[in-house]
Amino acid sequence: NAGVTQTPKFQVLKTGQSMTLQCAQDMNHNSMYWYRQDPGMGLRLIYYSASEGTTDKGEVPNGYNVSRLNKREFSLRLESAAPSQTSVYFCASRGTGGAEKLFFGSGTQLSVL
Amino acid sequence: QKEVEQNSGPLSVPEGAIASLNCTYSDRVSQSFFWYRQYSGKSPELIMSIYSNGDKEDGRFTAQLNKASQYVSLLIRDSQPSDSATYLCAVTSSGGYNKLIFGAGTRLAVHP
Repeated sequence: NAGVTQTPKFQVLKTGQSMTLQCAQDMNHNSMYWYRQDPGMGLRLIYYSASEGTTDKGEVPNGYNVSRLNKREFSLRLESAAPSQTSVYFCASRGTGGAEKLFFGSGTQLSVL
Repeated sequence: QKEVEQNSGPLSVPEGAIASLNCTYSDRVSQSFFWYRQYSGKSPELIMSIYSNGDKEDGRFTAQLNKASQYVSLLIRDSQPSDSATYLCAVTSSGGYNKLIFGAGTRLAVHP
């Protein structure tokens, strides 16, 4: 049982390049999330998907797009990377029935030069 | 004003002591409160949740909630070096569980 799997673990981009962060969960969870974590800022929600087929903006959605490909997979795309998007990105999922616990992936360290 | 505030630390305590971590929040509609532990270079993991005023104990951990003062705390008894980590406070907003608001975290260092 792998839980939440994120790829890649590390990535270096040049300004203006694009990339997609992949996330998959094998716990049959309905809700999935993308957070970014910056020093002194805590975790900030970028986008979330409450169920397959739906996505909604979080606190800091600008510069990002997401796709809930199916119940397992939720990807985050940077169309034109900027240095301000240098951060650690975490994908998370949450179960149903009022379950409150977030299960996090191992994170992606992204640097935009 | 940040919605969830925590002292960034580091909070340094000797092994065996009680570590007290504090968190204040600004949204009075918040109903659910969580403490996540994050080791350096790792992802956060849930260690405590609390929903009602008062104390909730789980092993060496006690969460305390005071909604009138908009204050939640985490006590760690008999602190161990393995407790050294960053502790993130998270609260639900009007968006419920789908829009948890996290504090920036308090770094705890337990020294032998």
